[in-house]
Amino acid sequence: AQTVTQSQPEMSVQEAETVTLSCTYDTSESDYYLFWYKQPPSRQMILVIRQEAYKQQNATENRFSVNFQKAAKSFSLKISDSQLGDAAMYFCAYRTSNTGGFKTIFGAGTRLFVKA
Amino acid sequence: GAVVSQHPSWVICKSGTSVKIECRSLDFQATTMFWYRQFPKQSLMLMATSNEGSKATYEQGVEKDKFLINHASLTLSTLTVTSAHPEDSSFYICSARDPSTYEQYFGPGTRLTVT
Repeated sequence: AQTVTQSQPEMSVQEAETVTLSCTYDTSESDYYLFWYKQPPSRQMILVIRQEAYKQQNATENRFSVNFQKAAKSFSLKISDSQLGDAAMYFCAYRTSNTGGFKTIFGAGTRLFVKA
Repeated sequence: GAVVSQHPSWVICKSGTSVKIECRSLDFQATTMFWYRQFPKQSLMLMATSNEGSKATYEQGVEKDKFLINHASLTLSTLTVTSAHPEDSSFYICSARDPSTYEQYFGPGTRLTVT
């Protein structure tokens, strides 16, 4: 079975600075997707960034980028120029392949605080 | 973008009663929907996979007779919590998979409080 581990329950960053959230996962699959989701106080899950396992290039979405190390099964999220609105719970997630039913499995989450 | 709605957003029920939560995909036909449960300050735990026209697939440890899932149409899945107890109080989130893009979209969640 696949597992997702986020070892940082909380992180704090100064506004305008950069922060990196860590995530590791375990799987025997070769084809899968990895995601970072943001969950603000409203509890609505918001997709931040997506990475296909077969792509070596790290995904980037504006201020958000990932460091995907497939061999190490590591998938960290870097937030640059942090803004107050980035404060939220961040979940790393793994989506199984078709044979796994496309299920999405979430890590425990990292709460990000942004200081003004 | 694709939208998934849930109804109600918040429900309070008495212990022993049943409550139904609806999940609708508004922009696409979802052959597959997923139900998650989230306790306060915890992660989302997958409860079951709901497939249109067939029985739901439950994750290990989830009581299928307590959490009844029906996916009768391509845009609607329902989760019924039967004989609710206070320990069933939680935040329930559904998601729907767009079969044309394989993207998964999340609903806004339903807060269930059992008194």
